[in-house]
Amino acid sequence: ETGVTQTPRHLVMGMTNKKSLKCEQHLGHNAMYWYKQSAKKPLELMFVYSLEERVENNSVPSRFSPECPNSSHLFLHLHTLQPEDSALYLCASSQSRRVYQETQYFGPGTRLLVL
Amino acid sequence: GQSLEQPSEVTAVEGAIVQINCTYQTSGFYGLSWYQQHDGGAPTFLSYNGLDGLEETGRFSSFLSRSDSYGYLLLQELQMKDSASYFCAVRRAGNTPLVFGKGTRLSVIA
Repeated sequence: ETGVTQTPRHLVMGMTNKKSLKCEQHLGHNAMYWYKQSAKKPLELMFVYSLEERVENNSVPSRFSPECPNSSHLFLHLHTLQPEDSALYLCASSQSRRVYQETQYFGPGTRLLVL
Repeated sequence: GQSLEQPSEVTAVEGAIVQINCTYQTSGFYGLSWYQQHDGGAPTFLSYNGLDGLEETGRFSSFLSRSDSYGYLLLQELQMKDSASYFCAVRRAGNTPLVFGKGTRLSVIA
């Protein structure tokens, strides 16, 4: 596989469930990002990892928990979500000495519905 | 704070030219990027303007005017496959995140 892949592509979960989103990049990049995309809103940056260390946490509720075990993999662990968390969750990666300064390559996203 | 404004929807005819505008207010402006996203797909990078002027890549061109805090994406010889959402994104000086606009949904009609 090439580029940035995300699984699952679609997820429906209840508010008491625990699930994880997975992202994998095959580009040899050193920075990875989680974004939330809601209808009629700008992309919202959630978390950033550079060289496997978290460098950004944009006041995201603790019910979202990221994990970056290595430079190719990024997870977003979900628990006790709310219906307003329903959105498209996008993963992205970039190769840069300074995070954010280079083009970001996005995965196709996970469409999440919280019931 | 930062803000970007772009039209929410644009409709254009196949074969025509369409311009999608983006105005921004931000401190430490460094450059303007454009991304395309088809329904159900990943945002993909189209272009970046770090300097004033026009950047051309095939049927797509992007323009920046720093003095006017304004840029646009120009799509020529529109094709049905160009129907998608287009996002402008501001890159700021220093090690700070991209700031995305809300996106413009382009519909190309026959």
